[in-house]
Amino acid sequence: SQKIEQNSEALNIQEGKTATLTCNYTNYSPAYLQWYRQDPGRGPVFLLLIRENEKEKRKERLKVTFDTTLKQSLFHITASQPADSATYLCALPNAGNMLTFGGGTRLMVKP
Amino acid sequence: SQTIHQWPATLVQPVGSPLSLECTVEGTSNPNLYWYRQAAGRGLQLLFYSVGIGQISSEVPQNLSASRPQDRQFILSSKKLLLSDSGFYLCAWGTDLSYNEQFFGPGTRLTVL
Repeated sequence: SQKIEQNSEALNIQEGKTATLTCNYTNYSPAYLQWYRQDPGRGPVFLLLIRENEKEKRKERLKVTFDTTLKQSLFHITASQPADSATYLCALPNAGNMLTFGGGTRLMVKP
Repeated sequence: SQTIHQWPATLVQPVGSPLSLECTVEGTSNPNLYWYRQAAGRGLQLLFYSVGIGQISSEVPQNLSASRPQDRQFILSSKKLLLSDSGFYLCAWGTDLSYNEQFFGPGTRLTVL
């Protein structure tokens, strides 16, 4: 089964800087990869999906890259704001196309 | 637009008591429905999913069961709760089987004492 690794330590950055979060997976390269945002005590919110044939995907201040050789996705937030503080989860499909979620990385943006 | 509801928001139950959590979706037809559990500081664990009324697939053996009595209603149940059933329960829906984007409800925080 797919194993997903996200940095369990919180990422602390200053407002205005670019935040970069990493998602590594260990087995077969998936057909797509998703990123979600989760605020404390709330359900995750879908942010972006990137397909295996896409190197990069952008949505406003968000950018996701997908490197199937490195088995890694990077999630960038440019011009970060305190409101971006949350836990970010990556998710990949397993063999049955059900999603497997990583443990998430907590981002703290300080003003 | 589509909305998803879960209730109750929080629940404290004694060990051995029954459980019923409800999830309903509005604004869409024949959605795929999912139940997840999230332990504190952990990732989401898929418990059950359903692609139609009466169709339930279980991902992990456990003390829980699920039912889908109506197209947009998904229920998570237990006859006797265990301490290990404590957690944050999330219901989600989706319609795209190819890329499986999912949309989550607000969750139910269950504490078993």
